[in-house]
Amino acid sequence: SQQGEEDPQALSIQEGENATMNCSYKTSINNLQWYRQNSGRGLVHLILIRSNEREKHSGRLRVTLDTSKKSSSLLITASRAADTASYFCATDHGNNRLAFGKGNQVVVIP
Amino acid sequence: DTAVSQTPKYLVTQMGNDKSIKCEQNLGHDTMYWYKQDSKKFLKIMFSYNNKELIINETVPNRFSPKSPDKAHLNLHINSLELGDSAVYFCASTSWTENTEAFFGQGTRLTVV
Repeated sequence: SQQGEEDPQALSIQEGENATMNCSYKTSINNLQWYRQNSGRGLVHLILIRSNEREKHSGRLRVTLDTSKKSSSLLITASRAADTASYFCATDHGNNRLAFGKGNQVVVIP
Repeated sequence: DTAVSQTPKYLVTQMGNDKSIKCEQNLGHDTMYWYKQDSKKFLKIMFSYNNKELIINETVPNRFSPKSPDKAHLNLHINSLELGDSAVYFCASTSWTENTEAFFGQGTRLTVV
């Protein structure tokens, strides 16, 4: 999982499998966002979940948010080789600060 | 049309030099950021501007000076470059009032030799 003190996590899966990654945070949030970064590229926004929401879907992506545990998970279903990337969570704490976790490297093997 | 554009994409320079990175967004956003991504891909916020006003300055050395001439631009000037400044720098923007996602530029890979 992504936390402030851990090294980035790596996940290697076969095409077609599901990939799950987690994110934790320490202080209350307005929303939590997930981003993807392909090698050598900028970050692309995937999904935003607000603090009063518990689950959100977008295509093959499913995000959950548990504010009591201060954690979120991103599930990618039926993974594809094109899903190979680094995935970051970011927390909006309502003070013009968008703070990022250390990221999860996902490799999908064809 | 590129939403958030940064220039240059690559920058190689010698220690001690001064350099600038420019960022422009055409999304009408009120908030812009600079982030530094190190070799482990950790993204650290450096500065946040809202409506041209500095909101966040995250213990960044004084050698780094952001400038926002208007809401659509946030430039980063770096004096006396050091080896440790080598990283990828990302500009981003968002609409804080609308509580929406951030849009990122493609990054500037700075290499100090």
